[in-house]
Amino acid sequence: AQSVAQPEDQVNVAEGNPLTVKCTYSVSGNPYLFWYVQYPNRGLQFLLKYITGDNLVKGSYGFEAEFNKSQTSFHLKKPSALVSDSALYFCAVRVVSYNTDKLIFGTGTRLQVFP
Amino acid sequence: EAQVTQNPRYLITVTGKKLTVTCSQNMNHEYMSWYRQDPGLGLRQIYYSMNVEVTDKGDVPEGYKVSRKEKRNFPLILESPSPNQTSLYFCASSLSEGGVTGELFFGEGSRLTVL
Repeated sequence: AQSVAQPEDQVNVAEGNPLTVKCTYSVSGNPYLFWYVQYPNRGLQFLLKYITGDNLVKGSYGFEAEFNKSQTSFHLKKPSALVSDSALYFCAVRVVSYNTDKLIFGTGTRLQVFP
Repeated sequence: EAQVTQNPRYLITVTGKKLTVTCSQNMNHEYMSWYRQDPGLGLRQIYYSMNVEVTDKGDVPEGYKVSRKEKRNFPLILESPSPNQTSLYFCASSLSEGGVTGELFFGEGSRLTVL
């Protein structure tokens, strides 16, 4: 089955430290991968995507993600965390079949950055 | 300003009382979709539409209806709401050139409580 997994419900990190939010996927064919962020009482906002090309993708707010085909992972990273990065982060993968073309989202990881 | 607008943002209703959550986008997007967000389950797709007059079921369509009579609007209809439809609902849209490879733009969400 095609799916995406976020193994951590919550990640805690001190401000100024590097952060990583993990995502693994399972799809047939070449994966199209996305990261979204949700701030309290808001809709999801697009951060970055991987379609093809360089394995390191840069996105909004200083975030980047590394695509690793052998490990089927697409971890979100930031070199130096800010308190304002505290939010809910969702990984998503595009799923395509003869009758569908859609994004499947992971269950989300809550990032808490402490001052 | 490019946006996806949902109404109402908050609604408390009773079992069996039909309701409609409206969604409108001003970006001339072809693709529109409805998701529900529940704790521990992430976002699950209810229905989606690749273009006008074309709608398809997502992963959790039971108890919901949609229509796409014009490009900008994609209302979600609950004919006979039940308590298990208490959730946070998001509408999203995308350009969808060559499939869902572009970013999804999300509305602010509609929190529905069914008593």
